[in-house]
Amino acid sequence: ILNVEQSPQSLHVQEGDSTNFTCSFPSSNFYALHWYRWETAKSPEALFVMTLNGDEKKKGRISATLNTKEGYSYLYIKGSQPEDSATYLCAFLNYGGSQGNLIFGKGTKLSVKP
Amino acid sequence: DTGVSQNPRHKITKRGQNVTFRCDPISEHNRLYWYRQTLGQGPEFLTYFQNEAQLEKSRLLSDRFSAERPKGSFSTLEIQRTEQGDSAMYLCASSISFGEQETQYFGPGTRLLVL
Repeated sequence: ILNVEQSPQSLHVQEGDSTNFTCSFPSSNFYALHWYRWETAKSPEALFVMTLNGDEKKKGRISATLNTKEGYSYLYIKGSQPEDSATYLCAFLNYGGSQGNLIFGKGTKLSVKP
Repeated sequence: DTGVSQNPRHKITKRGQNVTFRCDPISEHNRLYWYRQTLGQGPEFLTYFQNEAQLEKSRLLSDRFSAERPKGSFSTLEIQRTEQGDSAMYLCASSISFGEQETQYFGPGTRLLVL
């Protein structure tokens, strides 16, 4: 059974703090790793698709790194703002598995206090 | 709005009733996916279409569930004889096949409550 773990489960920070979350996934048969941001009552928003070991991607104040050999990815938010409050989901796609079957973690719920 | 849309956004039904949800993908996206999210869990894959062909179904998709994508555009997900355990958020996503960089774009979901 393929398992994706995310930590922490929830996080409360003050506006301006920088923060990071972890996503752990199986290191064998890796194909791609996705990050999504999901705000309440909205659609999950795609942040990054990462495929190569050592990949680093950035979108504004949010960045992510990927280590496929040890099976983890970090998501960083620099200078958190209240609008960053959301659940951050990572999802793993394995090579040779279903083409569409993203395997999601349970997410990290971030709350940013003004 | 050119994103993925889902209707209805909320549905309350009594146990034993049938319900149907609709998903309209981003136009020109040839792939369409259904996921289900229950409380405290991440979304779980249910089924996937490429154009009108249903290519894969999860073991989560019992005989009471059926999905269609008749013309390769919108899709419907029907649950017959609903049970309280079917209460969940049902998410639809679409994509265009693009190798390992393929991104699935999600709709806002349909939240189902079975009383």
